[in-house]
Amino acid sequence: QVKLQQSGAELVKPGASVKLSCKTSGYTFSTSYMSWFKQIPGQSIEWIGMIYAGDGGTGYNQKFKGKATLTVDTSSSTAYMDLSSLTTEDSAVYFCARVAIAASFAYWGQGTLVTVSS
Amino acid sequence: DVVLTQTPSTLSATIGQSVSISCRSSQSLLDSAGNTYLYWYLQRPGQSPQLLIYLVSNLGSGVPNRFSGSGSGTDFTLKISGVEAEDLGVYYCMQATHAPLTFGSGTKLEIK
Repeated sequence: QVKLQQSGAELVKPGASVKLSCKTSGYTFSTSYMSWFKQIPGQSIEWIGMIYAGDGGTGYNQKFKGKATLTVDTSSSTAYMDLSSLTTEDSAVYFCARVAIAASFAYWGQGTLVTVSS
Repeated sequence: DVVLTQTPSTLSATIGQSVSISCRSSQSLLDSAGNTYLYWYLQRPGQSPQLLIYLVSNLGSGVPNRFSGSGSGTDFTLKISGVEAEDLGVYYCMQATHAPLTFGSGTKLEIK
């Protein structure tokens, strides 16, 4: 079955960067799209961007351009998201989700909590 | 960006009660090809969102048929016909017709 396993919680200092991973299994990663989302606890969900694993092509929410960089490693069926120049406003849970039928998100990772604190 | 306004923000229901959640969009979600990219997700406490409805009214895989979606243009509704205890959580509508994808602010369903 389809699985998306995200990396563990991160505690990072302001100004630093962090790389989150989303390891997949159970489907053909190299021809799939993956999206990433941000959710501050108790708040709604924001779409960060999407990447096509076939060629690494990306599309970003303008709000996250310069903050997030999406990449993939097809050899390990893993998607990555780099978050740079972190501030306390970047403290949130970040989810990966595979694009499925009719552009829906039927498969989600369990989320990674990023805490930015000195 | 498209703003999705969900009402109510909180809903309290007894087991077996039928409830509805409204999602209104600041722009029509009908695209030039005749598709409406409106979805409903449920996020149970401490869990990732799960797909309930796609393209306004199509039931996601494995989703109980007590959930149904309807609407068009800018007005959409999620109905739960006979709430069960496992339905508690926050319900979000999401649109993918216009970039960037956006979510509603959520409706929290509590079980009395």
